[in-house]
Amino acid sequence: DAGVTQSPTHLIKTRGQQVTLRCSPISGHKSVSWYQQVLGQGPQFIFQYYEKEERGRGNFPDRFSARQFPNYSSELNVNALLLGDSALYLCASSPESRAYTFGSGTRLTVV
Amino acid sequence: RKEVEQDPGPFNVPEGATVAFNCTYSNSASQSFFWYRQDCRKEPKLLMSVYSSGNEDGRFTAQLNRASQYISLLIRDSKLSDSATYLCVVTGIGDYKLSFGAGTTVTVRA
Repeated sequence: DAGVTQSPTHLIKTRGQQVTLRCSPISGHKSVSWYQQVLGQGPQFIFQYYEKEERGRGNFPDRFSARQFPNYSSELNVNALLLGDSALYLCASSPESRAYTFGSGTRLTVV
Repeated sequence: RKEVEQDPGPFNVPEGATVAFNCTYSNSASQSFFWYRQDCRKEPKLLMSVYSSGNEDGRFTAQLNRASQYISLLIRDSKLSDSATYLCVVTGIGDYKLSFGAGTTVTVRA
């Protein structure tokens, strides 16, 4: 079975640009969560979606937005990129909650 | 105060040694507790859940002390392959948000 897949794997953007990251959950998983991991720190919660509805949002500015599609895949959008947005962005899926499986992430570099 | 705090280490131990480390959490209402393992530049992977009664999974033993709000992980008979960063994770009410510590780095040397 395919795990959680994320695309792209690496990305370089310029300050002020916008970026869209994509995630496909494990088949049958209805919940998708997004996390940001800055070098040397643990992942920080950004969003969770369940059955296409936002269930929770972390302490991130409105420049960050997300959505979940009918097939349960998800996109994370970040507008007006800052240097501090450079990080590993992780997507996790689960059947409902707990037992989260993470994708290998998208490494975003903002220059 | 951070939600989850860990000793960053690094813990540098020889093969076969026992290594143990803790993490503390600030929210007494935290409901579920986990240890994740993260290899360099890879995604976190669930190592084990942590139960109030304590639990073992092979060479790994996890303990939870709700009164003192700390969680521990002990690794016996360390292997080279145990070298990684170990992330302490707690969830709150609703279980939808994982709160991670910054991680404890363990290096096992030959």
